[in-house]
Amino acid sequence: NAGVTQTPKFQVLKTGQSMTLQCAQDMNHNSMYWYRQDPGMGLRLIYYSASEGTTDKGEVPNGYNVSRLNKREFSLRLESAAPSQTSVYFCATVRDSSFGSGTRLTVV
Amino acid sequence: AQKITQTQPGMFVQEKEAVTLDCTYDTSDQSYGLFWYKQPSSGEMIFLIYQGSYDEQNATEGRYSLNFQKARKSANLVISASQLGDSAMYFCAIRGRDQLIWGAGTKLIIKP
Repeated sequence: NAGVTQTPKFQVLKTGQSMTLQCAQDMNHNSMYWYRQDPGMGLRLIYYSASEGTTDKGEVPNGYNVSRLNKREFSLRLESAAPSQTSVYFCATVRDSSFGSGTRLTVV
Repeated sequence: AQKITQTQPGMFVQEKEAVTLDCTYDTSDQSYGLFWYKQPSSGEMIFLIYQGSYDEQNATEGRYSLNFQKARKSANLVISASQLGDSAMYFCAIRGRDQLIWGAGTKLIIKP
């Protein structure tokens, strides 16, 4: 039982490159979330999916897109990375407060 | 809109002493949940304790307890008998509908 699995753990991108962060959960939860955490701050919600087939913007959605592929998987895509997107990204299912281990993304 | 305020950016506490980390919140929802998380220097987010707005008893989990004062909109975390391994960032968060809103965190350092 892995809980929430998030990949990759580390990534360095050049400005303008694209990438997709993957998240999968094996707890059969409906709701999934993507957060970013900047140094010295709490988490801020980027996007969330209350159920399969639905997605909604959170507090800081600009520059990101998401896909809820099925009930298990919720991916986050950066179409054209910018240095301001350097951050640590967490995927979560909130029902029992399960977080992935985080992705440390650096955009140079 | 919901808001979490953690007024203590950092705290130093002597090992084995009890610690209280402050959290106040603002919400217009009648039903909500309050969470505390620990984030050690390794970066993972560890769930500690949860309090529902309708729970009559204060939540407890081992050495962690939540001092929930609904009228004051306060949800302080109490750690009894602190240990060196408790040194970390601690975050308070509130859930209403489908979103978690986070405070800025408190950095706790336990001194030997």
